[in-house]
Amino acid sequence: GAVVSQHPSRVICKSGTSVKIECRSLDFQATTMFWYRQFPKQSLMLMATSNEGSKATYEQGVEKDKFLINHASLTLSTLTVTSAHPEDSSFYICSARDSGRDLSYNEQFFGPGTRLTVL
Amino acid sequence: AQSVTQLDSHVSVSEGTPVLLRCNYSSSYSPSLFWYVQHPNKGLQLLLKYTSAATLVKGINGFEAEFKKSETSFHLTKPSAHMSDAAEYFCVVSVRSGSARQLTFGSGTQLTVLP
Repeated sequence: GAVVSQHPSRVICKSGTSVKIECRSLDFQATTMFWYRQFPKQSLMLMATSNEGSKATYEQGVEKDKFLINHASLTLSTLTVTSAHPEDSSFYICSARDSGRDLSYNEQFFGPGTRLTVL
Repeated sequence: AQSVTQLDSHVSVSEGTPVLLRCNYSSSYSPSLFWYVQHPNKGLQLLLKYTSAATLVKGINGFEAEFKKSETSFHLTKPSAHMSDAAEYFCVVSVRSGSARQLTFGSGTQLTVLP
């Protein structure tokens, strides 16, 4: 149980185009999902918290117009990188909290990640 | 505010020997602590978690960690390393931040297992 999927796993795009990444909780409902970014050989940095039915909360320094987040259902959150540039190339990882579990200690289930390369 | 310090960026052990990955945390409140493992180009897999129950936590694949409040530590150990244990390991702390709970990641420890 508690499986999170991401699609696509890998995407290569041209500079200036937009890319959408999907994050799905496959066997549980998630009112809260999270988007992280990981640069090579570095740790994960939280970009934003995605809340079902409401606006995402972005971390300081993350451009909300650049990284659009939509959490329209209890099992799906999407991250759209708009007008992507080479510096946006990174490994993007989502996670989700199972709404049916004890949320007091904030266990998150992680997706396998999406490797974005912007040419 | 909370923080996590992984004391070693890289650890090398021989197959069959013990593994020790060190983690210290700071937190104003009672924390929840996790260890995750990440294999190359893969997502994170939860190894174990501490949530204020038993201080010695057993996880998957033979890993365990002990929460020591007096030392603010949560070191990860395994009695005998296996080649498949080679990966990046992250120590993570979770505390309440305002009305939300955030995860704060350590910088990671790369574990190499030598044959």
